[in-house]
Amino acid sequence: RKEVEQDPGPFNVPEGATVAFNCTYSNSASQSFFWYRQDCRKEPKLLMSVYSSGNEDGRFTAQLNRASQYISLLIRDSKLSDSATYLCVVNALQSLPGQNFVFGPGTRLSVLP
Amino acid sequence: EADIYQTPRYLVIGTGKKITLECSQTMGHDKMYWYQQDPGMELHLIHYSYGVNSTEKGDLSSESTVSRIRTEHFPLTLESARPSHTSQYLCASSDPSHPGGPLHFGNGTRLTVT
Repeated sequence: RKEVEQDPGPFNVPEGATVAFNCTYSNSASQSFFWYRQDCRKEPKLLMSVYSSGNEDGRFTAQLNRASQYISLLIRDSKLSDSATYLCVVNALQSLPGQNFVFGPGTRLSVLP
Repeated sequence: EADIYQTPRYLVIGTGKKITLECSQTMGHDKMYWYQQDPGMELHLIHYSYGVNSTEKGDLSSESTVSRIRTEHFPLTLESARPSHTSQYLCASSDPSHPGGPLHFGNGTRLTVT
């Protein structure tokens, strides 16, 4: 079992739809959580940090459930420009040096006109 | 926002050549990382450094080497490039004064070995 797992995707949704991504992690010592978006052949870019019970940034809402060890990302009123791969990243400071950041495999989103 | 730069953006080179991929950051971050990513695939950590003169191998075996002589500079070298080295190489840094803070990525080097 992978340390960080995500919805396999791809998600194909029409413009304006609401879409939710789920991510689960196995290391209970994980302390911080992030969502990145990665466009095709580009570098990952930080979308949101999720530090406590969740946070919202415009159309994007991230939730953290420590007891169940999952985080989610909700995108409301999706735009064509939201099409990308969304990466769940977990940071466990007690992990081996250099292994702190664990990446999920990513979920690809295509927003269709 | 962290400033982290990679050069070149694209590199096409013949088999057997020695290459160095440059990565520099201006934020004074002690922690720096190199990831390798094939198209449509996951990122894999190949090297990391926690400061000057500190370098370690990541969880994916790589024939590349790295050095960390200055805090801001973390170059990656391939002594003899092969087609199997064709991939995207991503450099990243994080701020140790902000434990649990995010990774900041450079814009990547896309390497093609012919």
